[in-house]
Parts: sequence; C-alpha cells; structure tokens
Amino acid sequence: DAKTTQPNSMESNEEEPVHLPCNHSTISGTDYIHWYRQLPSQGPEYVIHGLTSNVNNRMASLAIAEDRKSSTLILHRATLRDAAVYYCILRDVRDDKIIFGKGTRLHILP
Amino acid sequence: EPEVTQTPSHQVTQMGQEVILRCVPISNHLYFYWYRQILGQKVEFLVSFYNNEISEKSEIFDDQFSVERPDGSNFTLKIRSTKLEDSAMYFCASSEGENIQYFGAGTRLSVL
Repeated sequence: DAKTTQPNSMESNEEEPVHLPCNHSTISGTDYIHWYRQLPSQGPEYVIHGLTSNVNNRMASLAIAEDRKSSTLILHRATLRDAAVYYCILRDVRDDKIIFGKGTRLHILP
Repeated sequence: EPEVTQTPSHQVTQMGQEVILRCVPISNHLYFYWYRQILGQKVEFLVSFYNNEISEKSEIFDDQFSVERPDGSNFTLKIRSTKLEDSAMYFCASSEGENIQYFGAGTRLSVL
C-alpha cells in the first residue's frame, strides 16, 4: 500500500546540506506531502508539509516538483542531531491518520 | 514548548493481563491518536479520537483495545488481555486540527 518511494538509507557529512528524495507518482489532487522524522528512541516528529508550492520553515525546506510526482526534503546544514529516519507521507486533506512507510534512515558523518 | 507526555516509559506485564497506557496530550488539542511500532517495523496507526468518540480505527484495533478520555487532560489506551504480539512501542499523538500531529516519546510494552 506504499504511496511513496524513498531510498532505504543515505549518508551525509556534518554541516553539509542534505537532499532527501521522495517519489509519489500516484499522488492525487487532494494529497498533501508531509515529512516526519523519528530520532532514535523517540516518537515521530513533524518536519514540514506542503501542497504545491515550495515551503520553508526553521527545520527544513520542501521542494515539490511541478507535476507533484516527487518532492525533496532539504536540510540546509546537517548536524549529528539530524540522524534519524525520515518519512515522506501523503495525506489526503480529509484524512485523519498518518500512514507511515519505512522511510529513509539518514546517517550523519562527523 | 508544549509536549505530549506518556507514562509509563516502560511497562512489563504477563500475557493475559490488562494494561492501561496513559497520555497527556497538549492542552488545547482536540484530536487524539494512538500508534504502535513493533521492534524493527513501521509505525502503525491504531485509532483516532475526537469529540469523545472514536473517529477511525485500524484492523489492529480489535475488541481487546479501548480508548478513553476519562477527564479533561488524560487519554488512555487499554488492552484487556495482552498477547505476546502486543509487545511494541505505543505512541500517543495529538493535534489542534486535522493537520500536524505531535507525538509523545512512547511507552514500551513488554508482554512476557
């Protein structure tokens, strides 16, 4: 039932930008793109979400392709604390629950 | 910053016993959720709760599970007769609207 496809894992160096890709070719017009992350031994944590336009907040930026079939979460300057599993999730505007996939495990190298 | 609080952090129980997992959602939030994560697996939705009733539940949330908001601050998940396969991390979440959900740190349930 996976609606998004993400790489299983990625590595990045500390203090460098990280681009986490997500494919969602079957996205519908009412689906928002959400990103959550889960730090080790923690609950999931909201990162960012968007519909069509690129979005920025204090944690990250979300770049959404023009056809909305893919998106990229951008961490501008990774720190060791950003090592986590990052989940790209489609949520219909009417949908209450979050359906998590396997996500991308991001490793940050010092 | 307001946060969702879950207690206990670790609960150990014998198979067949009842357990109650407790959550204090963020105070002005109206929507409440339970999820679980079996070790090494995905986070799975269990149930959502709004206006003092269940708004949606997954097929995992069978008759052995129940939720309650016994007062203005707590939100509980009860498992009536625990099974070995109920061993997991249980996460409570709350949201102000049907958008961003804020998760607690979880309760690790170990069924022996």
